Amino acid sequence: ETGVTQTPRHLVMGMTNKKSLKCEQHLGHNAMYWYKQSAKKPLELMFVYNFKEQTENNSVPSRFSPECPNSSHLFLHLHTLQPEDSALYLCASSQEKGVDTQYFGPGTRLTVL
Amino acid sequence: AQSVTQLGSHVSVSEGALVLLRCNYSSSVPPYLFWYVQYPNQGLQLLLKYTTGATLVKGINGFEAEFKKSETSFHLTKPSAHMSDAAEYFCAVGNFNKFYFGSGTKLNVKP
Repeated sequence: ETGVTQTPRHLVMGMTNKKSLKCEQHLGHNAMYWYKQSAKKPLELMFVYNFKEQTENNSVPSRFSPECPNSSHLFLHLHTLQPEDSALYLCASSQEKGVDTQYFGPGTRLTVL
Repeated sequence: AQSVTQLGSHVSVSEGALVLLRCNYSSSVPPYLFWYVQYPNQGLQLLLKYTTGATLVKGINGFEAEFKKSETSFHLTKPSAHMSDAAEYFCAVGNFNKFYFGSGTKLNVKP
């Protein structure tokens, strides 16, 4: 595997379910990011991790819980989501946090029923 | 505050015509500038980037962009559009240890 991978690619869940999104980067980068992309809205940065430590949380509701066990893996744990949380969730990584080029995974298309 | 403005959420061109996608930014310091492309149901892919040096930057798939400091612009161009160029394009600015994305421009290419 090369680049940034995300699983699953598609996820349908009910509002009472608990699920997790997984991201893995094979680029040796130190920073990882979660973005939310909704229809007709700009790309929204959710969380930033640098060397496994969370450095940004952009007022994301607590029903989204990120986890970064090491610099290569990033998870987004989901629980009691709302239909408006349906979106494409993109993971990205960069060599260093900040202005370095970000490399994106293919995204997870999430539908909340 | 830093910001990125992409003029035109939708642009339509004929196959073979010039592609021009506009991006203006505000930044109090020289920024790093990027263009990304997103095909349906895929992640964002880097097209090109400007950091320092030559202001005309060439990217993949025949695209190029020119950094114009006086105009605070970084417009993306391609001399001849191809059907496969239909996608959404995002301009991004990096400075002060942060990254800012524009709202995107969807490019439609007509046969």
